[in-house]
Amino acid sequence: SQQGEEDPQALSIQEGENATMNCSYKTSINNLQWYRQNSGRGLVHLILIRSNEREKHSGRLRVTLDTSKKSSSLLITASRAADTASYFCATDSGVNDMRFGAGTRLTVKP
Amino acid sequence: EPEVTQTPSHQVTQMGQEVILRCVPISNHLYFYWYRQILGQKVEFLVSFYNNEISEKSEIFDDQFSVERPDGSNFTLKIRSTKLEDSAMYFCASSELGPPRDTEAFFGQGTRLTVV
Repeated sequence: SQQGEEDPQALSIQEGENATMNCSYKTSINNLQWYRQNSGRGLVHLILIRSNEREKHSGRLRVTLDTSKKSSSLLITASRAADTASYFCATDSGVNDMRFGAGTRLTVKP
Repeated sequence: EPEVTQTPSHQVTQMGQEVILRCVPISNHLYFYWYRQILGQKVEFLVSFYNNEISEKSEIFDDQFSVERPDGSNFTLKIRSTKLEDSAMYFCASSELGPPRDTEAFFGQGTRLTVV
């Protein structure tokens, strides 16, 4: 069964604002990854956070992981119209697959 | 930058026909995956493949589906007798490492399969 669940399902903000998306999961994980998908296109890997890490940064992206709550958040700072996309978390539980959530559809208005 | 390549980008097929979706993973990667995404829905895991055999498969991956690595570069997904509900975007992915994995999986741009 699918593992990650993102919220909100949709988020609309103005350019320059920060966007926060959350992901919850059910089983223990080795790592959690965030992906971005432009409409109808492939999945682009954004960032991987291991189960023993609590926070990770990459450019304007900040990811946190709370294994006690089985949740992660993705923060995009100073958003741009080009950040408009769907964002998915995917969990790696050590078996040879990744389980994706339903995604958050982010719209950044110019 | 190396990338996963999928062909065709769009395939239209009649119900009951067989289709083969093709993928060229990144050359030094050892683990390969197929996922699908029905329009507007989640990305769903289908199957993973390592060392010329299936490692994991989901409940979606029934007897109608098969995967193959026919040569050193291609990785294919075959659907034997397509159904309308097989219409989806199919993504191939590859990763250098397997579980516990500390490197990301790289995804192709997808093949949009439309069954009519």
